[in-house]
Amino acid sequence: IQLTQSPSSLSASVGDRVTITCRASQGITNKLAWYQQKPGKAPELLIYAASTLHSGVPSRFSGSGSGTVFTLTISSLQPEDLASYHCQQVDTYPWTFGHGTRVEI
Amino acid sequence: QVQLVESGGGVVQTGNSLRLSCVVSGFTFGHFNFHWVRQAPGKGLEWLTVISFDGRNEYFAESMKDRLIVSRDDSKSTVFLQMNRLTDVDSAVYYCARSRCIGRSCQLDSWGQGTLVNVSS
Repeated sequence: IQLTQSPSSLSASVGDRVTITCRASQGITNKLAWYQQKPGKAPELLIYAASTLHSGVPSRFSGSGSGTVFTLTISSLQPEDLASYHCQQVDTYPWTFGHGTRVEI
Repeated sequence: QVQLVESGGGVVQTGNSLRLSCVVSGFTFGHFNFHWVRQAPGKGLEWLTVISFDGRNEYFAESMKDRLIVSRDDSKSTVFLQMNRLTDVDSAVYYCARSRCIGRSCQLDSWGQGTLVNVSS
């Protein structure tokens, strides 16, 4: 299953609303996770089952979608959100990732 | 607390093999599936393989399945990844991660810090 993530990078200001899209090559119901990766660090789980926030993740992050189109939204961008964001389908092995979106402040 | 610590990376010559280790602590090793994910410099994440909680099932990325061996040693709470016939495109940071299933949804909820592999001729 191929995942197409867009945009590949974006630049936004503190307080902006940011949306990242992930499209799957076939339907995956809600079997999609989002990860945040800060520079030089390992990825961290943000959202699973397309829309469920992982423990400790700020409420400004949200996920939506089902089937083939999914979105990650940051409602009010903060300086600490500087990172790359990756979607991953967990519906069928082999699991696959999107190519990532770099978010610059 | 939950910890995954990879080791075994370094410089390796083209064509050689390498065995990475991932030692875990802070939770019951035998209850979880473990995955390996890599990231080449400046690139995205690439899922490589998973070994099931009981070691009976393994899945591999199609492009890698002929060169990878994944295993686990429950007595040492350790997961291993052996990579054969290495080339420069295998140069990357290799992460070990645990998958946790909540209901019917599984995801990588804990990651190691990664180990860097540099393949050089």
